[in-house]
Amino acid sequence: SQQGEEDPQALSIQEGENATMNCSYKTSINNLQWYRQNSGRGLVHLILIRSNEREKHSGRLRVTLDTSKKSSSLLITASRAADTASYFCATVPRPAAGNKLTFGGGTRVLVKP
Amino acid sequence: DTAVSQTPKYLVTQMGNDKSIKCEQNLGHDTMYWYKQDSKKFLKIMFSYNNKELIINETVPNRFSPKSPDKAHLNLHINSLELGDSAVYFCASSQVLDGLGYTFGSGTRLTVV
Repeated sequence: SQQGEEDPQALSIQEGENATMNCSYKTSINNLQWYRQNSGRGLVHLILIRSNEREKHSGRLRVTLDTSKKSSSLLITASRAADTASYFCATVPRPAAGNKLTFGGGTRVLVKP
Repeated sequence: DTAVSQTPKYLVTQMGNDKSIKCEQNLGHDTMYWYKQDSKKFLKIMFSYNNKELIINETVPNRFSPKSPDKAHLNLHINSLELGDSAVYFCASSQVLDGLGYTFGSGTRLTVV
């Protein structure tokens, strides 16, 4: 089974709106990362949040982490058509199991112009 | 310059054949990985090498054999290909042994017919 599970599986919004997606995981983590995957491409690292952090920002991205609930959220503000992609959360367990990233199933985001 | 490059991008082959996928990174990273993404977009780690040493070997059939001639290269050889091997295979690398900021290649789409 997947360590991380994203919710929703798919999201359709208008350009300019905010997009929020959630990720839940099962085991203790060292850190949690979010990646973007455009259709037919590799994954691009967006942001990393450590287990002792609660919130992190990078440009239009805001990530929160609640280790008590074993969940994280990714907020994309003022979305653009170019944000259309699949977004994956991934966790590094604690203790780190040889640097392994375990991915969730992803959220497909469609931003309509 | 491409940071993590893998070849070929597409591979179509018949069942029973043996094929290899090559991966090279020019980032100076110590750790390299192979991930498999299935048709439902789930990503799962297959192997991880740190400085040419095998660190992670998930439950992968023996038909899959990674080879790391140096820390900048991690190739994947697959013997006796089966229909179920059809997937997108991603190579990735990271800086240190704690999962920070993976850099992914653009993927190799393997189709076994």
